[in-house]
Amino acid sequence: GNSVTQMEGPVTLSEEAFLTINCTYTATGYPSLFWYVQYPGEGLQLLLKATKADDKGSNKGFEATYRKETTSFHLEKGSVQVSDSAVYFCALTPYYFNKFYFGSGTKLNVKP
Amino acid sequence: DAGVIQSPRHEVTEMGQEVTLRCKPISGHDYLFWYRQTMMRGLELLIYFNNNVPIDDSGMPEDRFSAKMPNASFSTLKIQPSEPRDSAVYFCASSLSPDSSGENTGELFFGEGSRLTVL
Repeated sequence: GNSVTQMEGPVTLSEEAFLTINCTYTATGYPSLFWYVQYPGEGLQLLLKATKADDKGSNKGFEATYRKETTSFHLEKGSVQVSDSAVYFCALTPYYFNKFYFGSGTKLNVKP
Repeated sequence: DAGVIQSPRHEVTEMGQEVTLRCKPISGHDYLFWYRQTMMRGLELLIYFNNNVPIDDSGMPEDRFSAKMPNASFSTLKIQPSEPRDSAVYFCASSLSPDSSGENTGELFFGEGSRLTVL
């Protein structure tokens, strides 16, 4: 089956700290992988994506690499800002099958 | 371009009342999804449509919930009768089928959600 597991939150960091949010997946075939971000009071929006093994998705200083050998897609950012405080969701969709499987979300709090 | 549009943004109602949530997907998208988000259960997929046809409604919690998509530009999620445990944020999302070239990965676009409170 298809599923996504991500680290429990909340994660609390000081501004300019390094961020890692772990995400592992189980999938049949070769899925596409995504990170979505949800700011308070808003819907989810796409942060970055990767469609095949070894692809690196990046956006707004965030990046994640599609690792087929470890079935992982960990989210990283070198220096977080207060404005990055949000809930982050890892997700996958099997290729050619447009149903999304989301992780449980990880809340990030960044303190000044 | 207009994104996914949901209404109402906020709804407060009393137990037993009928609630109708509305969604307008992005023009040209052929998939539409309804999600529910709560603190306890996180993000749950309720139902999704492809080309206006319901494909998987296994996430619909009970018969009190129903969803329709009469045309490509409109969908409703109805709860009748509503109960306090239905209080949640309901999201609609739409996407385009992945294509054979792999260029379109079927990214999901979310609306801003409808916050439902059932007293």
